[in-house]
Amino acid sequence: NAGVTQTPKFRILKIGQSMTLQCTQDMNHNYMYWYRQDPGMGLKLIYYSVGAGITDKGEVPNGYNVSRSTTEDFPLRLELAAPSQTSVYFCASSPNSGRAGQFFGPGTRLTVL
Amino acid sequence: GIQVEQSPPDLILQEGANSTLRCNFSDSVNNLQWFHQNPWGQLINLFYIPSGTKQNGRLSATTVATERYSLLYISSSQTTDSGVYFCAVGGGAQKLVFGQGTRLTINP
Repeated sequence: NAGVTQTPKFRILKIGQSMTLQCTQDMNHNYMYWYRQDPGMGLKLIYYSVGAGITDKGEVPNGYNVSRSTTEDFPLRLELAAPSQTSVYFCASSPNSGRAGQFFGPGTRLTVL
Repeated sequence: GIQVEQSPPDLILQEGANSTLRCNFSDSVNNLQWFHQNPWGQLINLFYIPSGTKQNGRLSATTVATERYSLLYISSSQTTDSGVYFCAVGGGAQKLVFGQGTRLTINP
């Protein structure tokens, strides 16, 4: 298993541009999550999904959108990028058994200039 | 929401020393994980431990859910143990709330 994969690894955007961060997992996990990590801080939850077709907001959802059309994929969309969205973005997944915890991808480092 | 506090914020040790990292949380949880973030930014699962004690090599963890704290023990530290250690706790839908982390530096 590849686990949780994220693309791209790095990206630089100009203010006002849009982009989609891709996340795929091959563990057949129902639960998927997007977090952001600002420098020197812990991770904060942006959006999560408990299954295909179901998404919900986390702690810091403003400026982002998500969709979950398949079990495997959970893309994060940034519309009208702002410097405050400069961060490292992590995708994670977990089984719905609640006994294994979350598994994280390698992250995407995004800079908005 | 759930509050997570980790201590100490920074810890500098010599190779071979032992260390204890603490995580306090403010409410009942059904998920608690410890992660190591290495200098390249990768998050590595250490333990899934909502209660009880687990050991993996030189690392072990204990969670006392009734008293709302967890401890991570690192014995015989190596330079490769350096990085930031995060505690994260969760409730419904397995959502995690992260602490601010403990930055561990192991000097040779």
